[in-house]
Amino acid sequence: DAKTTQPNSMESNEEEPVHLPCNHSTISGTDYIHWYRQLPSQGPEYVIHGLTSNVNNRMASLAIAEDRKSSTLILHRATLRDAAVYYCTLLGDNYGQNFVFGPGTRLSVLP
Amino acid sequence: GAVVSQHPSRVICKSGTSVKIECRSLDFQATTMFWYRQFPKQSLMLMATSNEGSKATYEQGVEKDKFLINHASLTLSTLTVTSAHPEDSSFYICSAGGLGTRGGGETQYFGPGTRLLVL
Repeated sequence: DAKTTQPNSMESNEEEPVHLPCNHSTISGTDYIHWYRQLPSQGPEYVIHGLTSNVNNRMASLAIAEDRKSSTLILHRATLRDAAVYYCTLLGDNYGQNFVFGPGTRLSVLP
Repeated sequence: GAVVSQHPSRVICKSGTSVKIECRSLDFQATTMFWYRQFPKQSLMLMATSNEGSKATYEQGVEKDKFLINHASLTLSTLTVTSAHPEDSSFYICSAGGLGTRGGGETQYFGPGTRLLVL
């Protein structure tokens, strides 16, 4: 399984943008890049996913490097509610595959 | 978006008893559901893949006789922790996906988790 590496923790000030990086240098051509986040004592929550092109949704933006070996999750204006562990994970193109979660990045948002 | 529920949200039991956790997809059908376990300060670890109408597939190191999984319908999977012991105390989370999107673009929806404490 292709693996991802993320910084253990990051800090941001409230209302500032946050860029969460993820390296996936062994990604295969059919792997999708998924981002989930987990608030304390809750199940993970879907944030965004993409294959090759940058993606935007109401929660965040996903910037994917041209060689696809890295990606960045962008929160445009961090709020206190965005404090969570953010997981970057890959999913292959076979139906029914499971996610493999690394330790993720713990994001702290300072008021 | 799609909703996955779990019941109970929290359970405390005595050592040696069995505990059943339910995972339901509320507004979609899921032929495959996944069960994860998460210890404090750690990431999610996949325990097993639950397939509707067939036997579950367990990850290496997970005892299939201890963690019984039943996926009797397209909206319900259950995990039974048999003869629970204190070391089984953990946060158990299920997920389901599909929604007609196959392959790597499939979004997984996670339940809120069940916190199990075995005394």
